[in-house]
Amino acid sequence: KAGVTQTPRYLIKTRGQQVTLSCSPISGHRSVSWYQQTPGQGLQFLFEYFSETQRNKGNFPGRFSGRQFSNSRSEMNVSTLELGDSALYLCASSWQVPNEKLFFGSGTQLSVL
Amino acid sequence: AQSVTQLGSHVSVSEGALVLLRCNYSSSVPPYLFWYVQYPNQGLQLLLKYTTGATLVKGINGFEAEFKKSETSFHLTKPSAHMSDAAEYFCAVSPPYGNNRLAFGKGNQVVVIP
Repeated sequence: KAGVTQTPRYLIKTRGQQVTLSCSPISGHRSVSWYQQTPGQGLQFLFEYFSETQRNKGNFPGRFSGRQFSNSRSEMNVSTLELGDSALYLCASSWQVPNEKLFFGSGTQLSVL
Repeated sequence: AQSVTQLGSHVSVSEGALVLLRCNYSSSVPPYLFWYVQYPNQGLQLLLKYTTGATLVKGINGFEAEFKKSETSFHLTKPSAHMSDAAEYFCAVSPPYGNNRLAFGKGNQVVVIP
């Protein structure tokens, strides 16, 4: 069974640009969550989707958005990039909510110059 | 709101010695508790979890943790460290209902000394 797949693996953008990250969950999983990981702030929850509906949102500005498609694949978008958005963005999937076990992808490393 | 405290960002342990990573949580409701491990350039992998029932939880790779409600703690231990245990370890908490929103601690970077 394939794991959680995140694309691209690395991304370099400049301030002011926008970016879209993609996450394909494990087959059969309907819940997808996104986390931001930085050396200073650690792991912070961004949002969670279940069956195409956003169920939870973390404390991030409106520049961060996401969506989930009918096949459970998810994308997150960051508009008007800032230097502080440089981070590892991790996607996690599970087959139900609430969670008993999250499966994480390897992440997308975003660098904003 | 829920939160997790992990003290000591870097932990050094000799090969064969006890591994002890401390985790204290704050939660207004009985929480779900987790330990995750992250190897370089990889995502997080679940080591073990506590939801309800037995307070001593056994996980993968010889790790175990004990939920102590009175101490609001969920410390992770392994009797004998192996070189392959070198990684970053995260304690996390979530409410027992309705969502998959985890609050993570800052993590412990474990270095195993041969």
